[in-house]
Amino acid sequence: DAKTTQPNSMESNEEEPVHLPCNHSTISGTDYIHWYRQLPSQGPEYVIHGLTSNVNNRMASLAIAEDRKSSTLILHRATLRDAAVYYCILRDVFGSGNTGKLIFGQGTTLQVKP
Amino acid sequence: DGGITQSPKYLFRKEGQNVTLSCEQNLNHDAMYWYRQDPGQGLRLIYYSQIVNDFQKGDIAEGYSVSREKKESFPLTVTSAQKNPTAFYLCASSAGNPYNSPLHFGNGTRLTVT
Repeated sequence: DAKTTQPNSMESNEEEPVHLPCNHSTISGTDYIHWYRQLPSQGPEYVIHGLTSNVNNRMASLAIAEDRKSSTLILHRATLRDAAVYYCILRDVFGSGNTGKLIFGQGTTLQVKP
Repeated sequence: DGGITQSPKYLFRKEGQNVTLSCEQNLNHDAMYWYRQDPGQGLRLIYYSQIVNDFQKGDIAEGYSVSREKKESFPLTVTSAQKNPTAFYLCASSAGNPYNSPLHFGNGTRLTVT
């Protein structure tokens, strides 16, 4: 599975936008980009995913670079409840994707200051 | 509301005892998964099942066993052969095309073996 690189930690102020970067320079054409987040002592929660085009949902937006070697998760207005570890993960359509074998790296720990 | 229920939230066992962790889902998902998470680490896949009465080993299956007799249930047994069983265990499920379908996670069982 292709590897992703994320900053270990980031800080944000409440009600400000947050841009969480993810590098995936070895991404293949069939890899979907998935984002999950995990609050302390809870299971990961799905946030968003995409393949090539930018995606929006009620939780966040996903901006994918034209060459797909990087992506950015955008939280439009951070709240205290958004403080969590955010994981950027690649899922191969034809490879290990059908096993659910998500490879979680260390993720980015987001702190939100009031 | 549909979801995944893991029980109990905390479990304590003596070394040498087998213990079974429960995972039930009412999302009508075909695929179910068990992950293990150690402090400060990402998730590692233990076992997965894409359909009733079928399951496959993940990356760290040694010392664990599972069954999938019903679509809704995927219990995990941590046997005495597992050398380092103390961890946070997470169950997940997904529907349809797993490459594109998000995983839904339970809130985990924290197992402590002394």
